[in-house]
Amino acid sequence: DGGITQSPKYLFRKEGQNVTLSCEQNLNHDAMYWYRQDPGQGLRLIYYSQIVNDFQKGDIAEGYSVSREKKESFPLTVTSAQKNPTAFYLCASSPGLAGGLTAYEQYFGPGTRLTVT
Amino acid sequence: KQEVTQIPAALSVPEGENLVLNCSFTDSAIYNLQWFRQDPGKGLTSLLLIQSSQREQTSGRLNASLDKSSGRSTLYIAASQPGDSATYLCAVKWFEIIQGAQKLVFGQGTRLTINP
Repeated sequence: DGGITQSPKYLFRKEGQNVTLSCEQNLNHDAMYWYRQDPGQGLRLIYYSQIVNDFQKGDIAEGYSVSREKKESFPLTVTSAQKNPTAFYLCASSPGLAGGLTAYEQYFGPGTRLTVT
Repeated sequence: KQEVTQIPAALSVPEGENLVLNCSFTDSAIYNLQWFRQDPGKGLTSLLLIQSSQREQTSGRLNASLDKSSGRSTLYIAASQPGDSATYLCAVKWFEIIQGAQKLVFGQGTRLTINP
């Protein structure tokens, strides 16, 4: 089955610890994204990558870091510098320019709920 | 700056009714508009994607329209069922000049409840 996997589904951490969220896709998509969702709110973009070995900050990148060493993987690290890390994190991908009309249609993973205490 | 608004924030209707969800955006220079469904604690499922040159898209009981000039989209759900209960999000693909990047900007969603 083609799709996006995120692990783990639930993650608990103590304040001050860094934590890495996994995102893997087997859709052969060029672009990948990380979003954060807080209760009753829409999604906010953290980081995105349009191609391997390249990524850009989104609207709320402070306290987060990413890497894109492989096309299929885009892990997100939530650092201790993130002031309010408890949230639902969603990873997405899209075909990219090679996808023609569907280049920008985004597909989402199931999400990781991170709780920091 | 692109802002996306969804009204109402929550909607509860009896089963079988036809209903309309609204989405508005402030900058009409969009690439496309996408409607998503989100079940509690789950990721987003894409329902319909309307390109900027299109006026509507249909999938089963769902019909989405796009009026770029007025900055509006509607999602029409026919003959609603309890299984349609979920949060519906709209998002526009838009070019953000400051960062020089295409972004997907989301509304806050409409929480829909269909009562049996």
